[in-house]
Amino acid sequence: GQNIDQPTEMTATEGAIVQINCTYQTSGFNGLFWYQQHAGEAPTFLSYNVLDGLEEKGRFSSFLSRSKGYSYLLLKELQMKDSASYLCAVRARTKYTGGFKTIFGAGTRLFVKA
Amino acid sequence: ETGVTQTPRHLVMGMTNKKSLKCEQHLGHNAMYWYKQSAKKPLELMFVYNFKEQTENNSVPSRFSPECPNSSHLFLHLHTLQPEDSALYLCASSLNYGDSDANYGYTFGSGTRLTVV
Repeated sequence: GQNIDQPTEMTATEGAIVQINCTYQTSGFNGLFWYQQHAGEAPTFLSYNVLDGLEEKGRFSSFLSRSKGYSYLLLKELQMKDSASYLCAVRARTKYTGGFKTIFGAGTRLFVKA
Repeated sequence: ETGVTQTPRHLVMGMTNKKSLKCEQHLGHNAMYWYKQSAKKPLELMFVYNFKEQTENNSVPSRFSPECPNSSHLFLHLHTLQPEDSALYLCASSLNYGDSDANYGYTFGSGTRLTVV
């Protein structure tokens, strides 16, 4: 089967660094996405990792280890506006059609406090 | 605005009502999706359309009926819903269903918050 796990909630302080973990089990793995979703708004694309290693994009970085089925999103210099849900999503090749399917985790709600 | 527009933003309907959700994108994307987002649960893929053709129906009850008249518009027709269908319904689009997703992910609309009473 396919499963994605991420913590339900996290709290961090403005200016600090926070790491949001995501573990997954899936067949046909073909990449991992991170999305940000503010309350009442659309999820927005943050990053995509398909190879092992760290991808840095400004204050946000995303890491992937395919052998461990593990990813994390690292947020530096936290700002109040970073308070949001962060969704981990795995892209996998479907067994029967050969196409792709994206499976989402339940999301991690991050609270940034002053 | 993300480029994907959903209407209405909020909808309250009775279990015997019939209503429709609308999604529109003018990004030139060929694939469109309906997702259901319930509190503290993962996004659930409901339907996928690629070049106006339905490519996936993930065991969604028949009280949800999708329609895709062209690549820019997607509807979700609702009838005889249950209270457990109350959720945020998100529409998304991508350039194509498949490889092109990898570079940009999906573009989501802001969703329709549905309450069934």
